[in-house]
Amino acid sequence: KQEVTQIPAALSVPEGENLVLNCSFTDSAIYNLQWFRQDPGKGLTSLLLIQSSQREQTSGRLNASLDKSSGRSTLYIAASQPGDSATYLCAVRGQGAQKLVFGQGTRLTINP
Amino acid sequence: SQTIHQWPATLVQPVGSPLSLECTVEGTSNPNLYWYRQAAGRGLQLLFYSVGIGQISSEVPQNLSASRPQDRQFILSSKKLLLSDSGFYLCAWGVSTNTEAFFGQGTRLTVV
Repeated sequence: KQEVTQIPAALSVPEGENLVLNCSFTDSAIYNLQWFRQDPGKGLTSLLLIQSSQREQTSGRLNASLDKSSGRSTLYIAASQPGDSATYLCAVRGQGAQKLVFGQGTRLTINP
Repeated sequence: SQTIHQWPATLVQPVGSPLSLECTVEGTSNPNLYWYRQAAGRGLQLLFYSVGIGQISSEVPQNLSASRPQDRQFILSSKKLLLSDSGFYLCAWGVSTNTEAFFGQGTRLTVV
């Protein structure tokens, strides 16, 4: 059974810092991994999708990496801003599986 | 461009009452459709998915059911709500199993 863990559960940093969010998964037989952002009381916004054959994906100030063999992904946020404050979720999809298995998320606070 | 709509945004229902949550997707044809529930402390859990009209698969046995009467419409229902049905319900869609998943804004259901 696939399990996804995100550490830390919460993170608070001053504005302008570069930061890394971590995601680990127990079964390396994944098809893809997706990072989401969730604002309080809102739905999920897709940030980046990494296919299992890829090592990283970039979108603006965000960079996500994937090391499938070690069961790890990181989301790098450059030059953080107060508007980046949200909960960040990673999710993996197993090969041939319909469902995304989610981590519990990292609640990020960027202090002005 | 594609958009996903969910309604209502919030709902307070008494125990034993029926439920109907609706989700529609615009700008795409024959999408894969999903219902997830996000409960406090339990993360996101896939409830149902559908790969076509009238085709419903259940991931978790429970008090809920789903239907897909039209290509881009997905409905989550219950005949009699339980207190344990409270949570944040999210509809999602994807072009196929292996592509990016997009989520709606969610429905906050409180059963009292």
